[in-house]
Amino acid sequence: EIVLTQSPATLSLSPGERATLSCRASQSVSSYLAWYQQKPGQAPRLLIYDASNRATGIPARFSGSGSGTDFTLTISSLEPEDFAVYYCQQRSDWPPYTFGQGTKLEIK
Amino acid sequence: QLQLQESGPGLVKPSETLSLTCTVSGGSISSSNYYWDWIRQPPGKGPEWIGNIYYSGSTYYNPSLKSRVTISVDTSKNQFSLKMRSVTAADTAVYYCATQSISGTFWFDPWGQGTLVTVSS
Repeated sequence: EIVLTQSPATLSLSPGERATLSCRASQSVSSYLAWYQQKPGQAPRLLIYDASNRATGIPARFSGSGSGTDFTLTISSLEPEDFAVYYCQQRSDWPPYTFGQGTKLEIK
Repeated sequence: QLQLQESGPGLVKPSETLSLTCTVSGGSISSSNYYWDWIRQPPGKGPEWIGNIYYSGSTYYNPSLKSRVTISVDTSKNQFSLKMRSVTAADTAVYYCATQSISGTFWFDPWGQGTLVTVSS
């Protein structure tokens, strides 16, 4: 089973700042990695798929990069609605699909 | 546009069977274009994939849960279902259904709103 490790666990930033979130895989997942955003009481929402492609309707301030074992989600300029929990997920080697433990992006 | 909605009991006793249904609207569950998935999220933790089913009836399960889980499809009702046997408190979680589109991104999109299942006597 591929283990995804996200860092940091919590990131405290202010609106307008740049956010950089990391996801590291225990073995190569090629580009088969996605990022999801989850707000309290809601289901996760697909943001980025195949490491660097924005899902439908996702603003351009969200971008993804990386391949192999190291991946990054960048939010170029934080909006108030971006403060949430972010998860990475792999589908390179399944079953099972696996998720990271999440990074909480909170307002500083 | 596909929409998914979970339903089922919110409270299950230890050692009993958890049963949930996901109703699909905006598309056919018999379509060869989709996999239909169950995912759960314990309070305060990340999501955990449970398993999925394809229109042909093929199923794939998380090895950690495989011995206790069955996913099935009811084409007449455009629904798919999850049964999890011998539950314990560790199975308390929000349970989501989701789909993967073969012609789309093939990631989990969309998801249902989720339903909280508590295992307690």
